[in-house]
Amino acid sequence: EDKVVQSPLSLVVHEGDTVTLNCSYEVTNFRSLLWYKQEKKAPTFLFMLTSSGIEKKSGRLSSILDKKELFSILNITATQTGDSAVYLCAVRTTGNQFYFGTGTSLTVIP
Amino acid sequence: DAGITQSPRHKVTETGTPVTLRCHQTENHRYMYWYRQDPGHGLRLIHYSYGVKDTDKGEVSDGYSVSRSKTEDFLLTLESATSSQTSVYFCAISDSSGSSYEQYFGPGTRLTVT
Repeated sequence: EDKVVQSPLSLVVHEGDTVTLNCSYEVTNFRSLLWYKQEKKAPTFLFMLTSSGIEKKSGRLSSILDKKELFSILNITATQTGDSAVYLCAVRTTGNQFYFGTGTSLTVIP
Repeated sequence: DAGITQSPRHKVTETGTPVTLRCHQTENHRYMYWYRQDPGHGLRLIHYSYGVKDTDKGEVSDGYSVSRSKTEDFLLTLESATSSQTSVYFCAISDSSGSSYEQYFGPGTRLTVT
C-alpha cells in the first residue's frame, strides 16, 4: 500500500527558531515529491523535488530529497509568525496520482 | 495563481439528496483531481481524470461519481449524500509537460450534509 508519513504531527516554536519537517514515503513508481503550505484555505505549492541530494531553496525555506532512504526534509530558518500553517508532503507517481501525508501543523509564537 | 474555480464554495444539504460540485480550469491542463480533506486524514483522492471522458477511482471513491465532458470542467457528484460526506472538497489540476508537473488547487468547497 502506498503511503506518505509526515513527522512531527505538530510543532510549536518561537520566532527566530529553525525547524525541520520530515516526510517519508513508500510509493511505487515514484516520480517526484512535492511540499505545500496550507493556511486556512487551499494548499499552495512550495517545492518539487525529483533528484536526490539537490537542495531547493526559496528564501528561508529549503528542501532536500533522499531517494535511497525514501525521505525528504523541509527546513525553515528564522521562523516568523507568518510561517504558521500546515505543511503537506505529497508524492507523485509515474501514473500521475498524488499521495499526501496528513501534514505537520506548525505554530510560531511571537 | 492557477486558473481554477470551484462552485459552489459552500453548500448545506440534507441526507439523501444528490449534490454536484463543479471544478473549472482555464489552464488547459490534462489532469484533474477531486480530493476531500478531513481532520486527521489529510487530503484523500476521490477520483481523477487524465483526459476528456477518461477517469479513474482514487482511494475513497465509494459514494462518488465524476464526469469530464470538456477539458476545462470536472464534475463530482454525490448521488445520495450522507453525513460522512461532510467535508472540504478540493479540485486540483496538473500536467505532464514543461513546468506544469506541479499540482495546483482550487479554493475548495465546504459541504455540510445534515
